Amino acid sequence: DTAVSQTPKYLVTQMGNDKSIKCEQNLGHDTMYWYKQDSKKFLKIMFSYNNKELIINETVPNRFSPKSPDKAHLNLHINSLELGDSAVYFCASSQASRGSSYEQYFGPGTRLTVT
Amino acid sequence: DQQVKQNSPSLSVQEGRISILNCDYTNSMFDYFLWYKKYPAEGPTFLISISSIKDKNEDGRFTVFLNKSAKHLSLHIVPSQPGDSAVYFCAASEGGATNKLIFGTGTLLAVQP
Repeated sequence: DTAVSQTPKYLVTQMGNDKSIKCEQNLGHDTMYWYKQDSKKFLKIMFSYNNKELIINETVPNRFSPKSPDKAHLNLHINSLELGDSAVYFCASSQASRGSSYEQYFGPGTRLTVT
Repeated sequence: DQQVKQNSPSLSVQEGRISILNCDYTNSMFDYFLWYKKYPAEGPTFLISISSIKDKNEDGRFTVFLNKSAKHLSLHIVPSQPGDSAVYFCAASEGGATNKLIFGTGTLLAVQP
């Protein structure tokens, strides 16, 4: 019974294409995140949504657009893909309310390869 | 600017011995710290956490120590088991509405049978 799931797990595409990665959580959490792990294995926050509202938007090219249709889903759409977008993208969720312990639960990751 | 640092990229220990993974941070506003474990081709898995008001938190074989004055935390695993072999990430949060986590670069732990 997967808590945070992502599709697809692997994505190979050519430069200039547009692609989407989907994320769903069944934990009942109200906050979801997108992280990028680059070739140096550095895990960095990109976006966060709380109850469908964008609350974190790091310095990310505007080719990246998150969309949250409801609080259980957070999708990532990437336009005009570039070679440097190749990375592993992780979705996560948490119950970040007062008194919570801030743990975030991660999906299995989507390895994006741009050729 | 790296606010959370794990200066040891790798660590090798014998099965049954203690593993000590270290993490340093620079931001005094961090009020919550977490350790994650990551196997290849999987997402990070939450392991243990500690609030800045505490100096120790224990969960089974895992203990996290926090030294606020030194801005240093460590994860102790005892006894170490081969299944503990993974990359361990330290993370820190300022809390608040965003719950933004800042991750270290990870330490690859290899537990030798």
